[in-house]
Amino acid sequence: AAGVIQSPRHLIKEKRETATLKCYPIPRHDTVYWYQQGPGQDPQFLISFYEKMQSDKGSIPDRFSAQQFSDYHSELNMSSLELGDSALYFCASSLTASTGELFFGEGSRLTVL
Amino acid sequence: AQSVTQPDIHITVSEGASLELRCNYSYGATPYLFWYVQSPGQGLQLLLKYFSGDTLVQGIKGFEAEFKRSQSSFNLRKPSVHWSDAAEYFCAVGNKAAGNKLTFGGGTRVLVKP
Repeated sequence: AAGVIQSPRHLIKEKRETATLKCYPIPRHDTVYWYQQGPGQDPQFLISFYEKMQSDKGSIPDRFSAQQFSDYHSELNMSSLELGDSALYFCASSLTASTGELFFGEGSRLTVL
Repeated sequence: AQSVTQPDIHITVSEGASLELRCNYSYGATPYLFWYVQSPGQGLQLLLKYFSGDTLVQGIKGFEAEFKRSQSSFNLRKPSVHWSDAAEYFCAVGNKAAGNKLTFGGGTRVLVKP
């Protein structure tokens, strides 16, 4: 069965640079979620999209933005990167009308030097 | 708002011994409850989930969890731990009203002694 695909799996950037992470949800899933997990931390909810519209917003910095495209893939854009942005970024998708289970991707590890 | 508390930050258990990880949630109605396991630097693997029905839930790798509404708990158990069970375990809560968004607990790191 198809799973949630995230790319790139690893990314190294310098401070003040920009990074873009991509997420391809499971086909026919209508909701995408982004989470950030810092070293030794639990995953923190950043933002979600339902049918390409932002549906909820968590602790996402103003330097970050995200969107969901017509093909339902989503991108998380991070600008003016800081050392503290180094984390594992998870994308998850779900079918809202279904049981409510989120299916997580393997994550994208961002390292800011 | 929903929240999750995992009271134990670290647990050390001997191989072959039983394991119980505690999880307490806060939510007004019946939540969706999940346990995930994460090895260092790896992704989140779903161990088991509870939506409704039977309050004792069986998961993968020999894990089970019991939903107790009166105690707002969803503790994870395994009768006999294997060395490969050493990992970080996260309890999570979600609900339809919140768009199924998950809130995670702080995690419990399990160390397995030979």
